[in-house]
Amino acid sequence: GENVEQHPSTLSVQEGDSAVIKCTYSDSASNYFPWYKQELGKRPQLIIDIRSNVGEKKDQRIAVTLNKTAKHFSLHITETQPEDSAVYFCAASNSGGGADGLTFGKGTHLIIQP
Amino acid sequence: GAGVSQSPSNKVTEKGKDVELRCDPISGHTALYWYRQSLGQGLEFLIYFQGNSAPDKSGLPSDRFSAERTGGSVSTLTIQRTQQEDSAVYLCASSFRGGINEKLFFGSGTQLSVL
Repeated sequence: GENVEQHPSTLSVQEGDSAVIKCTYSDSASNYFPWYKQELGKRPQLIIDIRSNVGEKKDQRIAVTLNKTAKHFSLHITETQPEDSAVYFCAASNSGGGADGLTFGKGTHLIIQP
Repeated sequence: GAGVSQSPSNKVTEKGKDVELRCDPISGHTALYWYRQSLGQGLEFLIYFQGNSAPDKSGLPSDRFSAERTGGSVSTLTIQRTQQEDSAVYLCASSFRGGINEKLFFGSGTQLSVL
């Protein structure tokens, strides 16, 4: 089955600096890679996703890159703000449909220092 | 409803008791998922429903765990003879048709504490 590794487990950055979270996956058949953000005490919410036919996707201060050859993908947050503090989960989907094929990483706790 | 609703939000139980957790997905969503989130751990997949059927039960950790969904809507996750290691947040999510690339909408979770 799919195995998703995520690191670091904790990341502390100064407000205004950039943050990068990296994930690797094992199944070369995986073709969909979403990122979920979970603020303290709240439910996870999708913030960005990427499909295997593209290498990069941006949405304002957030970007995700994908390297299918190396089987890794990363989340980049620029100009970090206090509201970016949360746990971020990457995931990889290797099925033809349905999140029954969605495997999550263990999460990265991002701390934005004022 | 406007979002995925779970109840109870918190449940404290004694070891050996049975518990039932409820999830009410977004109206019209045919796909429903249960995940478990333990302290410092990621989102552990438990079970997936498409309509009333569960094509994938592979994530259920033991035969003490079962889930059902009736009427293609509300789902209940039952844990029998609870153990302390069952303590976790149980999250439910739904999506429109369960297709690949579909966004998951999560509930707020049930915090289960087994004493």
